[in-house]
Amino acid sequence: ETGVTQSPTHLIKTRGQQVTLRCSSQSGHNTVSWYQQALGQGPQFIFQYYREEENGRGNFPPRFSGLQFPNYSSELNVNALELDDSALYLCASSLDPGETQYFGPGTRLLVL
Amino acid sequence: GIQVEQSPPDLILQEGANSTLRCNFSDSVNNLQWFHQNPWGQLINLFYIPSGTKQNGRLSATTVATERYSLLYISSSQTTDSGVYFCADNNNDMRFGAGTRLTVKP
Repeated sequence: ETGVTQSPTHLIKTRGQQVTLRCSSQSGHNTVSWYQQALGQGPQFIFQYYREEENGRGNFPPRFSGLQFPNYSSELNVNALELDDSALYLCASSLDPGETQYFGPGTRLLVL
Repeated sequence: GIQVEQSPPDLILQEGANSTLRCNFSDSVNNLQWFHQNPWGQLINLFYIPSGTKQNGRLSATTVATERYSLLYISSSQTTDSGVYFCADNNNDMRFGAGTRLTVKP
């Protein structure tokens, strides 16, 4: 039990639609990071937020965007969904950037 | 960016056996972490080990930062150890290896 929760657990969308995934960090954790994990691969870093500001971004297009709120919750938004966006999306929280990250259970997204 | 290589990619053990998983990095590591991903996708923190050796029960890890590698030791393996083991360099944008898939047979 990491204290990090994500919703929904599973989601099915069609190509071209938009999706919002949610994460609730451990209380007191100022940093949240989002990852995409395709089947059979390691997680790939999407971006990180620290105190509600973006603090780093991986090699993902602008249609992947995020928000972090003062109540330790955050969102990952993906516009114009593509089939290749089908994956497990993980969020992780930490006290500060560079410190131990604790992962949520993930949201499995299927794009048809 | 830093490249992370894990070996072996797959490992099948009989219950009770010991194993060593390796993680090599292409550049200096700052904040190495080891994770276990269970069959439901949950990533569980095993070790935060930028250098030195740590032990937690049947698991231990050693990182030699100057030589850019880390080792995870699993002793007396159990079926519940099955899953995928990842190492990652936690340098803001955490870089994961491709993982080692461990299967422990009863």
